[in-house]
This record gives sequence, structure tokens and C-alpha cells, in this order.
Amino acid sequence: RKEVEQDPGPFNVPEGATVAFNCTYSNSASQSFFWYRQDCRKEPKLLMSVYSSGNEDGRFTAQLNRASQYISLLIRDSKLSDSATYLCVVKSYNTNAGKSTFGDGTTLTVKP
Amino acid sequence: EAGVTQFPSHSVIEKGQTVTLRCDPISGHDNLYWYRRVMGKEIKFLLHFVKESKQDESGMPNNRFLAERTGGTYSTLKVQPAELEDSGVYFCASSQASRGRPGELFFGEGSRLTVL
Repeated sequence: RKEVEQDPGPFNVPEGATVAFNCTYSNSASQSFFWYRQDCRKEPKLLMSVYSSGNEDGRFTAQLNRASQYISLLIRDSKLSDSATYLCVVKSYNTNAGKSTFGDGTTLTVKP
Repeated sequence: EAGVTQFPSHSVIEKGQTVTLRCDPISGHDNLYWYRRVMGKEIKFLLHFVKESKQDESGMPNNRFLAERTGGTYSTLKVQPAELEDSGVYFCASSQASRGRPGELFFGEGSRLTVL
């Protein structure tokens, strides 16, 4: 079983739709959680960190459920520019900076 | 401010040859990571430097891979001899951790390696 598992996708949605991605992790010692975005043939870039209380950044909402070891990302009012691969990233701290483990990614295509 | 830079952006070599990838992290970032994405698979951790020291090299696939970070600035990843299964995109990332706050990973654009 992979350490970080994501919805396989792909997700194809119309503009304006709401879409949710799910991610589960197996290492209960995991301490930090992130969503990264990767555009085609580009490097991953941090979209948002995920906090225990849940957090929102504009149209994006991230949730964390430590008991279920589950993370989610909700995108409201999808834009064409949201088309990308979304990577769930989990960090465990056995050193000062920790090691990040990536999910396979979920691809989103927003269509006009 | 310059981001993480990697060189070369794309390298095509034959099986058995040697390739050296270079990464220049963001200035002042002590933490430097190498990751790899093989076609159709997830991005996988290779190793982590803190300054010039290897903190964690548990992801290095085998002894054909050698990473260095002499002087704690730029890093190189050498593959010798290269095999077909080494093909993929090698990402470098850097971060500057601060106590109590996870350090954001800043990625370079990656070095695409094709082994024929």
C-alpha cells in the first residue's frame, strides 16, 4: 500500500463547477500536510498548507482529519486556469526539515 | 530573487554512459532535496542534504547514484552507469525550515533524463 493515496482521476469539469479531491495517508506519525499544484511539464508549486482546523484561500478549501488520516481539497467556481495536476504531500519529521512523500497526483481539466 | 535552478533541462544518453545533474538551490536555503518522477509514477524522494551533510539518503535506488553538495551550496547527482529504468524527471527542491513551521519546498523545473 502506498504511503499517500489520491483519487486517481482524471477529473473533467465545466467552468464554475465545484470539485473535491481526496487523499489518505498511512503514516500516523505524519505531521504536516500540503497540496501542491503541477502544470504540464512544469515543477510542483505549493498551493496551500493544510491545517488541523481546516483552512481556506479564496476558492480553495483544505481539510484535515487526523483520526481518519484523510486530507481533502475543495475548489469552488472552477476556472480554466485551475487545470493542472494536484499533488497531496505529507511530511514526517525525523529531522529538522523532514521528508515529504507525494501522492500520484489527481489531474483536473476544467472545460469551457 | 532567483529560484531553484537545474541543469541540464534535458539530457539524452545511452545505456552505460554517465550523466551529472546539477542543482542550485535558493540562496540561503540549508535544505536541499532530490526527487525523481519516473513515467506514470509518483514523485519519489531520493535524498536530503542539510548544508553539506546527507541527512537522509534512504530513497537512493542503488550505488549507481551519487549525490554531493560540497560546500553546502549547489548539489550534483551523478548516475554511473545509467540504465534504461533511470529515465525520468529529476527534481531538486530547497527549503529553509524554521522551528515550529514546516518549510515550503521550492522546486526547480527538473532535469529530464532519457536513457536509450
